[in-house]
Amino acid sequence: RKEVEQDPGPFNVPEGATVAFNCTYSNSASQSFFWYRQDCRKEPKLLMSVYSSGNEDGRFTAQLNRASQYISLLIRDSKLSDSATYLCVVILLSGGYNKLIFGAGTRLAVHP
Amino acid sequence: GAVVSQHPSWVICKSGTSVKIECRSLDFQATTMFWYRQFPKQSLMLMATSNEGSKATYEQGVEKDKFLINHASLTLSTLTVTSAHPEDSSFYICSALSDRYTGELFFGEGSRLTVL
Repeated sequence: RKEVEQDPGPFNVPEGATVAFNCTYSNSASQSFFWYRQDCRKEPKLLMSVYSSGNEDGRFTAQLNRASQYISLLIRDSKLSDSATYLCVVILLSGGYNKLIFGAGTRLAVHP
Repeated sequence: GAVVSQHPSWVICKSGTSVKIECRSLDFQATTMFWYRQFPKQSLMLMATSNEGSKATYEQGVEKDKFLINHASLTLSTLTVTSAHPEDSSFYICSALSDRYTGELFFGEGSRLTVL
């Protein structure tokens, strides 16, 4: 089983739609969680951190469920500019070092 | 916000040569930096974790003698692709973990390597 798993998509949605991505992680010692966005041929950029209490930033809402070991990202009122790959990132302390684990990413395509 | 500078942004070299890529954190100290590789239409693959003042930790399947990583200071890590071959052509990206920003990752802009 992969340490971090995401549905690869693609998710094809019309503008204005609400779309949700999930990401599951296998190591219960995981400490920090993030959602990153990556446009084609560009480096990933931080979209938002994910906190235990859940957090919202405009049209984006992130949630963490430690008991079930998954995080989610909800995008409301999708825009064409939201088309990208969304990467789930988990950081855990392993052997005294921070170990960084990426999900394979979920592709989102928003169409007019 | 924090910035990570990666250089060069693209490089073309002949097979058999070595290429060095630099990753610098510009306004914070990064005790941990990460190096990734990304092939077209594929996910980022972690190659190694670079800790300042100690040897890098390589992921399974990554040849440490081919991909030399040096993290000599708190603001600089380098990746050297030794004796590069066409199959090493890829997009290499570094990221730095900032303690100041509560564990947030900052990515360099990436280096596109083409080996002829």
